[in-house]
Amino acid sequence: QSVLTQPPSVSGAPGQRVTISCTGSSSNIGADYYVHWYQHLPGTAPKPLIYGNKNRPSGVPDRFSGSKSGTSASLAITGLQAEDEADYYCQSYDTSLSAWVFGGGTKLTVL
Amino acid sequence: QVQLVESGGGVVQPGGSLRLSCVTSGFSFSDYGIHWVRRAPGKGLEWVALDGKNKYYADSVKGRFTISRDSSKNTLYLEMNSLRGEDTAVYYCARDLRWEGQNYFDLWGQGTLVTVSS
Repeated sequence: QSVLTQPPSVSGAPGQRVTISCTGSSSNIGADYYVHWYQHLPGTAPKPLIYGNKNRPSGVPDRFSGSKSGTSASLAITGLQAEDEADYYCQSYDTSLSAWVFGGGTKLTVL
Repeated sequence: QVQLVESGGGVVQPGGSLRLSCVTSGFSFSDYGIHWVRRAPGKGLEWVALDGKNKYYADSVKGRFTISRDSSKNTLYLEMNSLRGEDTAVYYCARDLRWEGQNYFDLWGQGTLVTVSS
């Protein structure tokens, strides 16, 4: 059971918009810790997509955006492309566990 | 080229030991903390340990795993003892970036597979 809760899967057709939620608690996201997002294809290096709730590293397309409110955060992907099919993880810090924590991951399928 | 390259994975029996290495290049090793993160089969990412100004461990590995570094070789290590089946995973090293006082994993390696099985 992950400290941060994500839906196991989401899907969308090419060109559509999807969102992935990440729900935490008062000891992590709600404690003003930033949320970061990563894209991961098994067998490859995870790739940072969003840091500090809403900032994109250099090279990440503006089709990816992040937001945070209260104890939750969201990743939005617009203009879905086949290459977006991957696993997506949110990450934050938990003050009760004194540990960096990840969501359980969401598998994005592009139909 | 800025990169992290893991090695040292393999098959080990329950109760056994293994040492993973993470060779870094392209940046000043001593200026950064480095994490180990793992992904078990069919599961999500799990933070394992950080070697920074201090060393930090997840409860699941505390007392069994030891993180260390050799700055002369730009290399991070993870010494894993008393291995269990639930330690089976791909282990990644990831660079720690401090941004506005908080930590973020800004560069990752490709991972090395550890299988604990008799």
